[in-house]
Amino acid sequence: QKEVEQNSGPLSVPEGAIASLNCTYSDRGSQSFFWYRQYSGKSPELIMSIYSNGDKEDGRFTAQLNKASQYVSLLIRDSQPSDSATYLCAVNAGGTSYGKLTFGQGTILTVHP
Amino acid sequence: NAGVMQNPRHLVRRRGQEARLRCSPMKGHSHVYWYRQLPEEGLKFMVYLQKENIIDESGMPKERFSAEFPKEGPSILRIQQVVRGDSAAYFCASSPPSDNEQFFGPGTRLTVL
Repeated sequence: QKEVEQNSGPLSVPEGAIASLNCTYSDRGSQSFFWYRQYSGKSPELIMSIYSNGDKEDGRFTAQLNKASQYVSLLIRDSQPSDSATYLCAVNAGGTSYGKLTFGQGTILTVHP
Repeated sequence: NAGVMQNPRHLVRRRGQEARLRCSPMKGHSHVYWYRQLPEEGLKFMVYLQKENIIDESGMPKERFSAEFPKEGPSILRIQQVVRGDSAAYFCASSPPSDNEQFFGPGTRLTVL
């Protein structure tokens, strides 16, 4: 079982729709959760961090965390073509692995006009 | 406020040569992380450093790879006797002492001929 799993996609949504990206993780003791966006040929860009169960909103982005289900998601409202990218879920286990982020394989999102 | 800086952005080496990759963290950040992204693969953690200390090197290959973050100057990832399989994008990230949100530099694309 992979430590962090994401659907690779591609996920295709029309402009203006809600894009829903999902991620599950295997280490129940994981402490911190992050979503990064990576355009082709570029470096990952931090979009959201979430540490507690529930929702966290920032502009058009909402991160949702459910530690009991070991599940974290990212919703993008009013999707734009510029949101087309690979979205990476990253998990920090904490403890002796404090500095280490474990990444999923990424979900490719395409927003079509 | 300048972001994480990496140089060179592109590096070409022949098999058996040495590669040195440099990373200057964001201002105020004292924690540095190195990740590798192989073609068509996800981001993999390599090493976590603070000034003059290696905190976690659990992702570093046992041979040929080393990293340092001296008291003065940038962090260096060194790859000795490079092989074709080392061709990848190498990303550096940094975080402040009080937070584990990691911000990535533009990366160094290493090509081994």
